[in-house]
Amino acid sequence: EDQVTQSPEALRLQEGESSSLNCSYTVSGLRGLFWYRQDPGKGPEFLFTLYSAGEEKEKERLKATLTKKESFLHITAPKPEDSATYLCAVLSGGSNYKLTFGKGTLLTVNP
Amino acid sequence: NAGVTQTPKFQVLKTGQSMTLQCAQDMNHNSMYWYRQDPGMGLRLIYYSASEGTTDKGEVPNGYNVSRLNKREFSLRLESAAPSQTSVYFCASRSSGGATEAFFGQGTRLTVV
Repeated sequence: EDQVTQSPEALRLQEGESSSLNCSYTVSGLRGLFWYRQDPGKGPEFLFTLYSAGEEKEKERLKATLTKKESFLHITAPKPEDSATYLCAVLSGGSNYKLTFGKGTLLTVNP
Repeated sequence: NAGVTQTPKFQVLKTGQSMTLQCAQDMNHNSMYWYRQDPGMGLRLIYYSASEGTTDKGEVPNGYNVSRLNKREFSLRLESAAPSQTSVYFCASRSSGGATEAFFGQGTRLTVV
């Protein structure tokens, strides 16, 4: 059974205060790990795909990294507009392309 | 491009009523998914369809049925709605050529009273 665990459940930062979100996973045959951003009342919006351990992707203030057991989403000098729920998901090739999500981290950035 | 379109956006049902949530995508994707999202529970997979003609159960399939009508459309049916099915439902699609990302609809907020 594929499992994705995200921590912390909620994180409150001051504007400019850098931090990291964690996503640990157990999956049979990882094909890809995805990060999404979700704003209230909207569907998840794709941020990054990571395919193999050691890979890194960057977009503006966000950087995602991947190891064999976990992924981190690093947020550098966040702004209030970065406030959202960040979701991690794994795509398992061993289960006919099942896409499993974690419960998410609610990030609040105060001005 | 419309992407993934879900209808309706909001719905209130009485316990025991039935309804079908519709989902259509215009990206020529093979795989489609139905999730429900509840506070503190994240996105939980109800059913998915890896390709046209196939469907598989996800984590929480009880009380739901699905139909992959064609490559574009994937519907979710509640035969006898229960208050426990009050939730926000999301449909998603992705290309199955490799580990590609999924695209989501805007969701259907369902309340069962």
